[in-house]
Amino acid sequence: EPEVTQTPSHQVTQMGQEVILRCVPISNHLYFYWYRQILGQKVEFLVSFYNNEISEKSEIFDDQFSVERPDGSNFTLKIRSTKLEDSAMYFCASRATGGHDTQYFGPGTRLTVL
Amino acid sequence: DQQVKQNSPSLSVQEGRISILNCDYTNSMFDYFLWYKKYPAEGPTFLISISSIKDKNEDGRFTVFLNKSAKHLSLHIVPSQPGDSAVYFCAAMRGGATNKLIFGTGTLLAVQP
Repeated sequence: EPEVTQTPSHQVTQMGQEVILRCVPISNHLYFYWYRQILGQKVEFLVSFYNNEISEKSEIFDDQFSVERPDGSNFTLKIRSTKLEDSAMYFCASRATGGHDTQYFGPGTRLTVL
Repeated sequence: DQQVKQNSPSLSVQEGRISILNCDYTNSMFDYFLWYKKYPAEGPTFLISISSIKDKNEDGRFTVFLNKSAKHLSLHIVPSQPGDSAVYFCAAMRGGATNKLIFGTGTLLAVQP
């Protein structure tokens, strides 16, 4: 069964450093998302991406964040200058079509900012 | 901004009995609802969904009920199995260009053998 994959599973970085989290969505999917979950809190929407552009972003997704689909398979989230409060689980999700279609999530990347 | 709420942080049931997980929402524009299950160190796994035009959807042991007037939905698991022990998230969607999911805080279900 096709699945969303994410790398790395755990990333430790120093405050102020740049990180890139990588995702490979399900191959025929067209809509891509990043969510995050700070420890003990709910899963929060960060950004959605369709047709090579951001379709919506949350207030969390400030200028320090960017997303890219550099080739036909990868979908990346970059944080330019990490802060302590960026420590969280980051989940990538993808969806095949528009409308009420299910989003499938990857296993997540645990980001720890020291 | 708690548009989706799960007021029970945890629930414990005996194997074979029914598990009922509840979810309330405030935004009447939500038109699709989903339940996800999550194990530690894994991503959310889709379980079952329901459109706002329905009041019930069933898939094997899982049934979701929607009460639009009360802005309430529930997930029933019958019979409960120890492998069902996980965190269950309710999520809501407002149909549109992005279909982003708004999640509840989750309910930790423990099914006792």
